[in-house]
Amino acid sequence: AAGVIQSPRHLIKEKRETATLKCYPIPRHDTVYWYQQGPGQDPQFLISFYEKMQSDKGSIPDRFSAQQFSDYHSELNMSSLELGDSALYFCASSLGRGGGDTQYFGPGTRLTVL
Amino acid sequence: LAKTTQPISMDSYEGQEVNITCSHNNIATNDYITWYQQFPSQGPRFIIQGYKTKVTNEVASLFIPADRKSSTLSLPRVSLSDTAVYYCLVGGQNFVFGPGTRLSVLP
Repeated sequence: AAGVIQSPRHLIKEKRETATLKCYPIPRHDTVYWYQQGPGQDPQFLISFYEKMQSDKGSIPDRFSAQQFSDYHSELNMSSLELGDSALYFCASSLGRGGGDTQYFGPGTRLTVL
Repeated sequence: LAKTTQPISMDSYEGQEVNITCSHNNIATNDYITWYQQFPSQGPRFIIQGYKTKVTNEVASLFIPADRKSSTLSLPRVSLSDTAVYYCLVGGQNFVFGPGTRLSVLP
């Protein structure tokens, strides 16, 4: 079965640069979530989209923005990168956003900021 | 969002059944309970989800008592490859991941 696709899988940037992470949800899934997982930490919710509209916002820094496009893929844009942004970034998708709508996670993008 | 509490770590041996209990005292009426497994540097992998009573799939069972204030993930006959962190999550949308349970399966 098709899974969530994330690209790139690895990304190395310098401080103060920008980065764009992409997420392609499972076909027919209309909801996308972004999570950040720092080294040795648990995943932290950043932001979610349902039917191309922002659905909920978590601990996403103001330097980050995201959107969901008409084909339901999503992009997380990160500017003025800091060393502390080095982390694994996971995208998850679900069909619907109700309590029983299971989130399926992608393999993640490992961002390293030097 | 309902907060969850799980044991930080557990050890088991190959072939044993492992039960991990999660407490979620302030679970809301429309909240589901979902368990994920995560290996290092990989995305959380869905294991099982339930609302009440018992749910079973090909990899695990989930037991939820009538008051829904806790749940127990049961992994039958674990193997070394089941060594991972297991997260209990409550809610529908934007999961709040707690520390999870680090399960170590020993030979």
